[in-house]
Amino acid sequence: ELKVEQNPLFLSMQEGKNYTIYCNYSTTSDRLYWYRQDPGKSLESLFVLLSNGAVKQEGRLMASLDTKARLSTLHITAAVHDLSATYFCAVDDTNFGNEKLTFGTGTRLTIIP
Amino acid sequence: KAGVTQTPRYLIKTRGQQVTLSCSPISGHRSVSWYQQTPGQGLQFLFEYFSETQRNKGNFPGRFSGRQFSNSRSEMNVSTLELGDSALYLCASSLKPGQGVSYNEQFFGPGTRLTVL
Repeated sequence: ELKVEQNPLFLSMQEGKNYTIYCNYSTTSDRLYWYRQDPGKSLESLFVLLSNGAVKQEGRLMASLDTKARLSTLHITAAVHDLSATYFCAVDDTNFGNEKLTFGTGTRLTIIP
Repeated sequence: KAGVTQTPRYLIKTRGQQVTLSCSPISGHRSVSWYQQTPGQGLQFLFEYFSETQRNKGNFPGRFSGRQFSNSRSEMNVSTLELGDSALYLCASSLKPGQGVSYNEQFFGPGTRLTVL
């Protein structure tokens, strides 16, 4: 069974600081997704990473994928309050035609002014 | 393009009752997945439907069931509700690899918050 682990589970950081969220998974998948969830809201797709070495950036967020290490990172640069949310990574079970996403536990990020 | 819609948004039921939740996917998406989200268990996969067929199923009891219609709209049903079924139920739609994409990016609806008393 595919397992997806995120750490840390909770993260408080000051505005202006940098930090990284880690996502480890137990299968050989090369398709990984990052989502954001605001309190009481649904999940919003942030990044789709489709190959080893893939890097995507949007504003202060940058995601990367290392399929050999089975590791993805979400890096936050110069955090601002608007980035406070819960971030999930999700991995595809690469059974073509029968894909299923398995989600990590989520990282609740709080940006402190 | 309209996003994924779910109805109702909020629901209060009592133990033993049954409930039906509805999901309309993004136009053109034939895959619909359902998830249960609770503070204790996180985001858990319930099942996925594609072209009216259940393709994947999570580890939930048989009280949880679903179906998909020819227009790709999906419903999930929970019978004999228990207190532990209180959760946010999320529906997500996606294209599947082979439908012009090579990945399984899912787009989520706003969710139905179910409270069981």
